[in-house]
Amino acid sequence: SAVISQKPSRDICQRGTSLTIQCQVDSQVTMMFWYRQQPGQSLTLIATANQGSEATYESGFVIDKFPISRPNLTFSTLTVSNMSPEDSSIYLCSVEWTGESVAFFGQGTRLTVV
Amino acid sequence: KNEVEQSPQNLTAQEGEFITINCSYSVGISALHWLQQHPGGGIVSLFMLSSGKKKHGRLIATINIQEKHSSLHITASHPRDSAVYICAALRNRDDKIIFGKGTRLHILP
Repeated sequence: SAVISQKPSRDICQRGTSLTIQCQVDSQVTMMFWYRQQPGQSLTLIATANQGSEATYESGFVIDKFPISRPNLTFSTLTVSNMSPEDSSIYLCSVEWTGESVAFFGQGTRLTVV
Repeated sequence: KNEVEQSPQNLTAQEGEFITINCSYSVGISALHWLQQHPGGGIVSLFMLSSGKKKHGRLIATINIQEKHSSLHITASHPRDSAVYICAALRNRDDKIIFGKGTRLHILP
């Protein structure tokens, strides 16, 4: 199964600033996914990132707020822009679920906006 | 109403107890995953099920397709089992993954 490295693991940010989260995979994958988990809630898919094309955003998420880059088949970034306290969540990157891979997800980024 | 519902939301038990976490879903699925989320936020997959029962060490997962229900069992529970357990279903109609809200398990020594 792929090894997925995500950073930072946590950050405390000021309102109005932006944070870029990085996700590195140790093998080439076609699709990468970005999820948000708000406190006490289930994981929600933000967008799907394919290499070489624009990310596909889910309802309620827009590119201006969550720009995503996917420059190659092993790397992606998610930026949380113009942050507000409501953006305080855990953000996770994920790769395609294949069979019984142990680790579909990065370690998560715990973001607190103050 | 969520398409994937888990119960209980929170569970505290003594070390050694037998633990059961339940997951019900209301949509057609092709597979169901049980995930474990550690306090830092990282998630690992424990099982993928499409039918029947699977066992890994002290963990057992079952699924009943007709009843649209799955259970995760932990035998001889240990404090290191303390985590959030999440049920996730791969929805047939669009291949999207639908997550339950998770069950927070705390095993006391």
